[in-house]
Amino acid sequence: GAVVSQHPSWVICKSGTSVKIECRSLDFQATTMFWYRQFPKQSLMLMATSNEGSKATYEQGVEKDKFLINHASLTLSTLTVTSAHPEDSSFYICSASSGQGYTFGSGTRLTVV
Amino acid sequence: GENVEQHPSTLSVQEGDSAVIKCTYSDSASNYFPWYKQELGKRPQLIIDIRSNVGEKKDQRIAVTLNKTAKHFSLHITETQPEDSAVYLCAASPSGGSNYKLTFGKGTLLTVNP
Repeated sequence: GAVVSQHPSWVICKSGTSVKIECRSLDFQATTMFWYRQFPKQSLMLMATSNEGSKATYEQGVEKDKFLINHASLTLSTLTVTSAHPEDSSFYICSASSGQGYTFGSGTRLTVV
Repeated sequence: GENVEQHPSTLSVQEGDSAVIKCTYSDSASNYFPWYKQELGKRPQLIIDIRSNVGEKKDQRIAVTLNKTAKHFSLHITETQPEDSAVYLCAASPSGGSNYKLTFGKGTLLTVNP
């Protein structure tokens, strides 16, 4: 079946630094990747939709200059949290549609200290 | 845009009982409705899905029903087991398996008591 690999699975960073999260589709081409954020005991909140070779589409209220998304190839999309602050601490997870449905990455637990 | 409401937010049942979780959606263009099971700190796992040309779908102890006129769909779990305990998420999309985004409900924390 379709697999999306997400790295890192967890990261701790200092306030003010940037963190990059990668999602790779291993056995299919993902022209579109979705990036979600999930706070404890809450549902998945869509942050942005990344399209290969074009600019990402951000949901209302999501700062595009803070959450940089790059989708340079059909198998790789990255989310960079710039100038991270403690309030950015969350579970970030990507998803791609493969023709078999939507496949999720394993998620990244970001803790900003 | 699409809005998905999910109820209840928490559900506690005894082992062997049935559990029902309901979702409503707002966009009549939605035609793909997946259900996910998510354990703490892990990725959502698809457990069953339904498309708008079907009213009901069953897979062993799990079933999903769809009422397109009323814009609601429900997850039914029979003979619940403690390992069914998790957060269940419903979602809706204009077209599953394509490049349309999924809109999720707020989730239901299901607890199955032994």
